[in-house]
Amino acid sequence: QVQLQESGPGLVKPSETLSLTCTVSGGSVSSGDYYWSWIRQPPGKGLEWIGHIYYSGSTNYNPSLKSRVTISVDASKNQLSLKLTSVTAADTAVYYCARRGGSGRSFDYWGQGTLVTVSS
Amino acid sequence: DIQMTQSPSSVSASVGDRVTITCRASQGISSWLAWYQQKPGKAPKLLIYAASSLLSGVPSRFSGSGSGTDFTLTITSLQPEDFATYYCQQANSFPPTFGGGTKVEIK
Repeated sequence: QVQLQESGPGLVKPSETLSLTCTVSGGSVSSGDYYWSWIRQPPGKGLEWIGHIYYSGSTNYNPSLKSRVTISVDASKNQLSLKLTSVTAADTAVYYCARRGGSGRSFDYWGQGTLVTVSS
Repeated sequence: DIQMTQSPSSVSASVGDRVTITCRASQGISSWLAWYQQKPGKAPKLLIYAASSLLSGVPSRFSGSGSGTDFTLTITSLQPEDFATYYCQQANSFPPTFGGGTKVEIK
């Protein structure tokens, strides 16, 4: 059973960099069958796809965030990471990592999510 | 970006009712549509992919239909555990985008 677990600071100051890690178990980030994504959800609002990474290191980002986002993968640790620079209160959200699988390009496995609050 | 519009935004229903949720895409997405269920404080859970394919383990009272721009999620005989928020998501083009959600509440 594939499991994903997000970790990182729950509080980030405005203008600083948000950094999160997602540890994958029961599956490999090196598998060529999947894309590994970050998705966020502001409190009480809908879902926004941030971007994804393929095992080769190839990435795609949401154009709305592209200038501030970096997603990377560490195959030796079976982890993916998210960095979001110059954060503001608008970046306050629950951040999820998720696997985009072969099931119609949908997100079939999700982490439990981690709340990141941007505040001084 | 492709805009996904769900309706209604909320619906009140009773156990045993049939519930239908609609999702409309701003342009054609073939059958590249998924449906998710989200309960408070939990991650979304995939129910249906490719518009009408039920994920293994998901109860058969859930069904999806549609193609192009108009899609439907139907829950026949609503159960207590089905009270949640439902999201559609297009997977036709980047960036993937989600509908605004439909909250299914207890009448």
